[in-house]
Amino acid sequence: QTVVTQEPSLTVSPGGTVTLTCASSSGAVTSAYYPSWFQQKPGQAPRAVIYSTSNKHSWTPARFSGSLLGGKAALTLSAVQPEDEADYYCLLYYGGTRVFGGGTKLTVL
Amino acid sequence: QVQLQESGPGLVKPSQTLSLTCTVSGGSISSGGYYWGWIRQHPGKGLEWIGNIYYSGSTYYNPSLKSRISISIDTSKNQFSLRLSSVTAADTAVYFCARDRRDTFGAVVPFDSWGQGTLVTVSS
Repeated sequence: QTVVTQEPSLTVSPGGTVTLTCASSSGAVTSAYYPSWFQQKPGQAPRAVIYSTSNKHSWTPARFSGSLLGGKAALTLSAVQPEDEADYYCLLYYGGTRVFGGGTKLTVL
Repeated sequence: QVQLQESGPGLVKPSQTLSLTCTVSGGSISSGGYYWGWIRQHPGKGLEWIGNIYYSGSTYYNPSLKSRISISIDTSKNQFSLRLSSVTAADTAVYFCARDRRDTFGAVVPFDSWGQGTLVTVSS
């Protein structure tokens, strides 16, 4: 089965910029995988922040952006705020089936 | 604003079948363009996609769980359900239901609305 890999943890300073990535064991991630990103804070359900590579939901802060970078999907947070500290999961679409990445724990410190 | 709510037993014995229901409010489950999904999260771990169902009944399942899962839909009750058979302690997790859709351009918009999740513990 396909494995989707993310950085286990990243640390960023408030006001800084950080990029999280999402790789597929089946090869380069393209827009055909409709990469999406979810934010999860402790004790809460995940919340979608990016879909179809770079599209934002109506509630997604402007400082969040999605892209493809070097064969991976990427989520970039600019001007990071303390409230951005959370776990982030990517999701890739494989023609109907979906696979979540293992998640990145983002620490704002 | 669509809302989803999981319900079902919080404790299931090993080898038995886990059954959960997701009730959808604020919208019709049979509206075209929506899939309805189940996701689980083992304690302290990441998210695992379980499967999706369309209002017509067509399904997609996680290959690693396919032999044990069944997802069904009841449009008259605006609900969809998950059955997971032959459970073990490894199936102890928080189970979420969520909505999946296509946008106006046909792009997949996965899981833009979620239930709060329900913890299911497998133990004798």
